[in-house]
Amino acid sequence: DAGVTQSPTHLIKTRGQQVTLRCSPISGHKSVSWYQQVLGQGPQFIFQYYEKEERGRGNFPDRFSARQFPNYSSELNVNALLLGDSALYLCASSLQGSSLATEQYFGPGTRLTVT
Amino acid sequence: ILNVEQSPQSLHVQEGDSTNFTCSFPSSNFYALHWYRWETAKSPEALFVMTLNGDEKKKGRISATLNTKEGYSYLYIKGSQPEDSATYLCASPDTGGGNKLTFGTGTQLKVEL
Repeated sequence: DAGVTQSPTHLIKTRGQQVTLRCSPISGHKSVSWYQQVLGQGPQFIFQYYEKEERGRGNFPDRFSARQFPNYSSELNVNALLLGDSALYLCASSLQGSSLATEQYFGPGTRLTVT
Repeated sequence: ILNVEQSPQSLHVQEGDSTNFTCSFPSSNFYALHWYRWETAKSPEALFVMTLNGDEKKKGRISATLNTKEGYSYLYIKGSQPEDSATYLCASPDTGGGNKLTFGTGTQLKVEL
């Protein structure tokens, strides 16, 4: 079975532009979470979606938005890019929407560079 | 706000050495602790989800223990091999609902020949 897939792998944008990152969860998983990882830090939670509804939002500005589609894939959108948005964006999927002891399966990430 | 801390930040060991590192988390309102291994250019891989005080889990040469009363977990690697080189992350779930994980900054392990 395919794991979590993300596209694109790498992306270079300039300040002020908008970007869309995509994630396909493991087949059968209905929950998708997004994390931002900058060098030297652990991944920071951005959003969780379950059954197409937002289940959680981290401490990120409104420039960040996401959605989940009927096939449970998800998109993360970031508007008005800043240099500080340069990071690795990870997507994680899980079977359940709210189980603290459920394993989450991560994709390889999208490396976003803002110049 | 959860505060998850890991130490050391980085570790260099020789092949065959055994090593361990620490994850500290708030002991109040504990529910679970997750350990991940993250090799360069790959996806973070789930190692363990630990829930019970005193629990010990093992996967090959890697094992982990949990002390929920004092708020720490140890990860042990016995007889380190170069393929164990990775960043090891621990994470605590937010008990407010959903699947949010709060991660530590990780321990970067380098195993040298």
